[in-house]
Amino acid sequence: GAGVSQSPSNKVTEKGKDVELRCDPISGHTALYWYRQRLGQGLEFLIYFQGNSAPDKSGLPSDRFSAERTGESVSTLTIQRTQQEDSAVYLCASSGGLAGSTDTQYFGPGTRLTVL
Amino acid sequence: QKEVEQDPGPLSVPEGAIVSLNCTYSNSAFQYFMWYRQYSRKGPELLMYTYSSGNKEDGRFTAQVDKSSKYISLFIRDSQPSDSATYLCALKNTGGFKTIFGAGTRLFVKA
Repeated sequence: GAGVSQSPSNKVTEKGKDVELRCDPISGHTALYWYRQRLGQGLEFLIYFQGNSAPDKSGLPSDRFSAERTGESVSTLTIQRTQQEDSAVYLCASSGGLAGSTDTQYFGPGTRLTVL
Repeated sequence: QKEVEQDPGPLSVPEGAIVSLNCTYSNSAFQYFMWYRQYSRKGPELLMYTYSSGNKEDGRFTAQVDKSSKYISLFIRDSQPSDSATYLCALKNTGGFKTIFGAGTRLFVKA
């Protein structure tokens, strides 16, 4: 079946503009995660969804960042008034959402965001 | 103190070498220990996972967990150029959903 898809694959924007990044998880996966990966660095947790609710938003770096998920499917990460330090690859992952297990996360290819 | 520490490398080895990749962590509550592999411009993919302490072997790959030392390792035997990638350790609590990732170690295997 289809894996996790993300769009756009690349996004170049000007400082101060808003951007929306989209994630289509694997069908039936209840858990969805957003991460940020700066060049040469590891994954920085942003937000986690279980179904359509977000029990853990602790990683969102500022109030310019928000995310929503609808229909226990597609999720959108929105960054308002982008800054140059927002430049990074934004990765989405989905999983079966099973507690008490490894709950393997399946990652999409990421959206490479460049803020000029 | 970071919850997990991982040397970012890069680590360069000749083809056929044994590779050792390591992470240390601080939270004794972690019970699930995973290794993800990430090729350039791709998302990470799960390579191996271990529950609690001990060893797990899968082909050329062996994962080790030493909970007493809070130290986890991934060994790659007979390394191949196709193993060139970034390897990220990942840790998770029992019953939790949040996975903590290491910074990743970049590995280059030269033919």
